[in-house]
Amino acid sequence: DAGVIQSPRHEVTEMGQEVTLRCKPISGHDYLFWYRQTMMRGLELLIYFNNNVPIDDSGMPEDRFSAKMPNASFSTLKIQPSEPRDSAVYFCASSSRAGITGELFFGEGSRLTVL
Amino acid sequence: EDKVVQSPLSLVVHEGDTVTLNCSYEVTNFRSLLWYKQEKKAPTFLFMLTSSGIEKKSGRLSSILDKKELFSILNITATQTGDSAVYLCAGGYMEYGNKLVFGAGTILRVKS
Repeated sequence: DAGVIQSPRHEVTEMGQEVTLRCKPISGHDYLFWYRQTMMRGLELLIYFNNNVPIDDSGMPEDRFSAKMPNASFSTLKIQPSEPRDSAVYFCASSSRAGITGELFFGEGSRLTVL
Repeated sequence: EDKVVQSPLSLVVHEGDTVTLNCSYEVTNFRSLLWYKQEKKAPTFLFMLTSSGIEKKSGRLSSILDKKELFSILNITATQTGDSAVYLCAGGYMEYGNKLVFGAGTILRVKS
């Protein structure tokens, strides 16, 4: 299995630009999670999906952030407009269970720098 | 208020030493405790603990959960330089369905 695939691996953009991060979960996994990692705040859950339906988006910082999962093999996290404080590593993870009862498989992350 | 608190924040040891990493957690809606190792890239799964007092072991790593005192420890014996990483503890909480809350991590550096 190829594992969780994220793109882009690195993105450098200017404040105000739209950023779209992409994720392909492991085939057969029903749960997909988006996390953000910074030195200050550690690893934070932004949103997660079960069977393509958003279940908990309470971690999404503000309206500038949105996430979609149009099908079982693809999800996007969009930031519009981006701000320097959004600079972080964004991880996508998938699981065959809810995460609290089973292992999460993480992608290699998308490192975002907003200038 | 942090749900999951790890200590120490960082640790430097020599090869061959034994280390103990600590993780305390809040009990409300708690379901499980998970340990992950993060090297340069993505966190990788080590253990999941749901029952108190039952040790889980994998090679030189072991972990146990104490649901009375609300903490878990991760032990690494005979440390090697390859054990250098950030070790993350996560609590699984039944909130809004299910939520995994990560601690800040312990940075472990093993010197040769």
